[in-house]
Order: sequence, then structure tokens, then C-alpha cells
Amino acid sequence: AQSVSQHNHHVILSEAASLELGCNYSYGGTVNLFWYVQYPGQHLQLLLKYFSGDPLVKGIKGFEAEFIKSKFSFNLRKPSVQWSDTAEYFCAVGKGGGNKLTFGTGTQLKVEL
Amino acid sequence: NAGVTQTPKFQVLKTGQSMTLQCAQDMNHEYMSWYRQDPGMGLRLIHYSVGAGITDQGEVPNGYNVSRSTTEDFPLRLLSAAPSQTSVYFCASSYSPSGSRAYEQYFGPGTRLTVT
Repeated sequence: AQSVSQHNHHVILSEAASLELGCNYSYGGTVNLFWYVQYPGQHLQLLLKYFSGDPLVKGIKGFEAEFIKSKFSFNLRKPSVQWSDTAEYFCAVGKGGGNKLTFGTGTQLKVEL
Repeated sequence: NAGVTQTPKFQVLKTGQSMTLQCAQDMNHEYMSWYRQDPGMGLRLIHYSVGAGITDQGEVPNGYNVSRSTTEDFPLRLLSAAPSQTSVYFCASSYSPSGSRAYEQYFGPGTRLTVT
């Protein structure tokens, strides 16, 4: 069965620190890749997505992610985090042509002033 | 557009009670899904629909029913609530960008359900 792994469950950073959250998946075929963010008490919002083409994708709020097919990874990065980035981040994978998403267990990010 | 709306926002049920969680979208999306979110487990797919009149099971369908009589609405029914169904439920709708076979999902605000 397809699985999605987010190895960092809790991350604490100071403002202006760089961020990298790991995401690995197990499916070997064509995949669509997503990062969602959930701010406290809110619903999931799409940060960025990869369907095809340039493996380095840029999303909202200065986030970017790189798809490395050989490593089955789609890590999320941000050069300089802000206090307002405190949230839970979910990686999700959809099989090519499919509507069903498999989510990772999430990474809780806390940014301290 | 209102996007994806869900009602109620909060609900408390006693074990054995039944109820329906409502979900509606006004974006004319073909696809709709229900997920539950539990601490440390991410989101898990309960049921999904690829169009009016068509539904299918996801990863954790037991104890839930769905129907899709219109494109806009996709209610989730709990037949006999159990404490294990205490969770936050998210509805999502999705479309495929033109020329693509990929699907981008839009989520509703969620329903927080407690079963005592």
C-alpha cells in the first residue's frame, strides 16, 4: 500500500532560521505531490503542488519544495521562517490520474520569537 | 464563491446516536471526499465520489455512509456513533486542471465531532 512518511513530528525554530521538512513516499508510479498547511483552528490550505515539469516548485508565503524522483522525496523548504509560520504541515501524495490523496502524519512547526 | 462549506462546526453525540455531517461546494467540482483527522495520524480518507450518483470507499469507511445525489452536496452519515469516531472531519472537493490528470483538492473548515 502507498504510504507517506514525514519523519519530523515536531520542529521548533527561531525566527529567521531556515526550514526543511522531509517527506518520502512509497509509490513507484506517476505521482502528484502536495504540501498543505493547517494554522491553529483552521482548515487545510494548499501551500504548493507538483504535477509535472520543473521539480523545484514554488508556493505561497515563500515556501518551495523539490521533487527528487530517485529518492521518492518531496521536501519542503523556506529560507527564513516567521512567527506566523507556526502551524502543522502535511505532505500528501496522489497517484497519477487519481483523486485520492494519502497524507503523511504531519509536522508541527513552532517558530519562536 | 463560498468554496467548500461544512455544517455543523461542532457536534456532541452519545454512543449509538446517528447524525449527518453536511458538505456543499459551489465550484462545480466533480470530485468530493471525506477525511477524518486524528492526532498523530494525519488525514485518512473515509469515502469519496467521482460524480453525482457514484461513490466509493476510502481507507476507513466502516461506520459511515455517503450518497451523492447532486454535484454540490456530499453528506456523510454516521449510522450508530461510537467513541472511536471522535475526530475532526474534513470535506474536500477537487478538479483536474485543464489538460492534466492531476487533481487539486480544496478543503472545508471541518466539523469537530465528540462521541461520549
